[in-house]
Formats: sequence, C-alpha cells, structure tokens
Amino acid sequence: QVQVQESGPGLMKPSETLSLTCLVSADAINSNRYNWGWIRQPPGKGLEWIASLYHTGDTYYNASLKSRVTISVDASKSQFSLTLMSVTAADTAVYYCTSRLGQVSTWGRGTLVTVSS
Amino acid sequence: DVQLTQSPSFLSASVGDRVTVTCRASQGINTYLAWYQQKPGKAPKLLIYSASTLQSGVPSRFSGSGSGTEFTLTISSLQPEDSATYYCQQLNYYPLTFGQGTRLDIK
Repeated sequence: QVQVQESGPGLMKPSETLSLTCLVSADAINSNRYNWGWIRQPPGKGLEWIASLYHTGDTYYNASLKSRVTISVDASKSQFSLTLMSVTAADTAVYYCTSRLGQVSTWGRGTLVTVSS
Repeated sequence: DVQLTQSPSFLSASVGDRVTVTCRASQGINTYLAWYQQKPGKAPKLLIYSASTLQSGVPSRFSGSGSGTEFTLTISSLQPEDSATYYCQQLNYYPLTFGQGTRLDIK
C-alpha cells in the first residue's frame, strides 16, 4: 500500500483559505492505479468525504463544499493538495488524505485544522 | 446520495462475546463496502473491504458479509483491544458516504 502523509497550517482565522498537502511516494503519484482523496472529521463527530481525484484528471466533490474546494496533484513534488476557501469554525476538523487502489484505502495520520478568530 | 445507517449506535459487550454491527444502504451498492475501526486520536483503520475481504494484518476474528443493501461486521470473540468506534463506507457511488458510527465498549 502507498503511504500518505498530510501537512497543514494547524490554526487559521475565519475567511482564510486552507491549503493542505499530502505527500506520496514518487512511483505512486504517477501511477494510473491509484486515486487520491480527502476526508475530514470534526471533533467528536463522524467522517465526511470531501473530494477525490483520478489519474485521468477527473475530480469528484462533496456537493456541500463544491463551491469552496479544489483537489489537485503536483506530480513533480509527489504530492496532491486540497484548497478550501473562506473557512469558518464549521471547517474545524482533522483532515485525512487517502490513497485508494480498487476498494482498498490507505489513510494518513491526519492533521488537525482549527479555525478560530 | 447513498445513506448508510448503522445499528446499533452504541454497543457494550464482554470479552469473548460475539458482536455484530449492521450497515444498511439506502440503495444497492453491490459489495462496494468497507469497514473501519477508529480509536481515539487515531486515523481509521481498514478492517474489511469489498464487503467481506479481510485486510492484511487484521485478526481473523473480524469478518464481513452482505451485498446490495445490507451488510454486517462480526467480531467472533471480542477482545479488550476491540473497544473502538466502527464505521462503514460505501465506494460504489459519489459522493462517497459513511455510516454514523457504532461505538463499542467492553464491559
């Protein structure tokens, strides 16, 4: 399985733009076998899928976030990213990046993003 | 969207018990279902994929079954380390969705 690891800002202010990156092994990021994704979990709550990206460039987004979110890949850096605009306190969560091969998903350890003024 | 409903939401059982968690989908999802175990402060851990395939390294006391709209996760002989929250996830349709979770406590 491909290992993935998130990085993020930790603390943000309302209305800012959140940028998260997920580091992947170089071989995997260029493979057409994997797809990449982001999932989040607000403190004490359940899991919410955010977005997925295929090697074809096809992207899928959670409708509730679609107007604010973009998933993209930078193969030269062996990473993929999530951008979430105009964050509010409701976006406070642990954000996980995932790699998926068929039906098998590998998750990162997660990065906590807190939105507070 | 495919709604996943887990039951029960909370379960308390004793070491050695056989435990079953159910996940019902609002529409058929073939066998595109995964089960995860999550402990506090940790990322979810994949237990079962394709509804019934045990992920490598997961103890054989865990098993999954089902297809279509009804799925089950079974722990054949509960161990203390199985105290956690369990989630199902469907991967057949976008948006990908999760069940609300089942918290399992050990008596």
